[in-house]
Amino acid sequence: DTAVSQTPKYLVTQMGNDKSIKCEQNLGHDTMYWYKQDSKKFLKIMFSYNNKELIINETVPNRFSPKSPDKAHLNLHINSLELGDSAVYFCASSQRPFAGGDLYEQFFGPGTRLTVL
Amino acid sequence: SQQGEEDPQALSIQEGENATMNCSYKTSINNLQWYRQNSGRGLVHLILIRSNEREKHSGRLRVTLDTSKKSSSLLITASRAADTASYFCATTSGGYQKVTFGTGTKLQVIP
Repeated sequence: DTAVSQTPKYLVTQMGNDKSIKCEQNLGHDTMYWYKQDSKKFLKIMFSYNNKELIINETVPNRFSPKSPDKAHLNLHINSLELGDSAVYFCASSQRPFAGGDLYEQFFGPGTRLTVL
Repeated sequence: SQQGEEDPQALSIQEGENATMNCSYKTSINNLQWYRQNSGRGLVHLILIRSNEREKHSGRLRVTLDTSKKSSSLLITASRAADTASYFCATTSGGYQKVTFGTGTKLQVIP
């Protein structure tokens, strides 16, 4: 059974379009994340939600809007796509958010490769 | 800002040899993790070491942490072709601790 799933796996679109990537986890975790991995494989956190509440919001253009309808889902909507948005986007989840000395393993989805033409 | 930097960026070894990857970071951390990423796949958690630990083992993996030097190393002993992947260190710090990944080491194990 897939623990963290993302759709679509590949997304090719024109500049200026609006697109969404969906993520679902069936692990019963409270916390979900979106990461962006660029062409140099550098992985950077974008957002984190805990029980549908935004807890981490890195310096990301406001064209990116996460939405968490319930704690098992975290979708990423991107408006007015730009060439620089081309990357692989990874969703992840953990049992709880990291706080204090506690640390919970993150489980990653397979990634969505976004190509903006 | 980027927290961890791995060294080397790429490593190619023969099957059976040991592989050592290093990670350096800039600010104080609470914990450090190592992840593996196979080509075209998501990351898989390998091992976690807390800031008050100095060494940890898991199977063929050995991780060390030197907080005075702000560095960690990952040793894979008796490497196998299936170990071919990119390896990332990740650090956590702050209140709601965001995880910050390093630049990764691409390991190739030649059969």
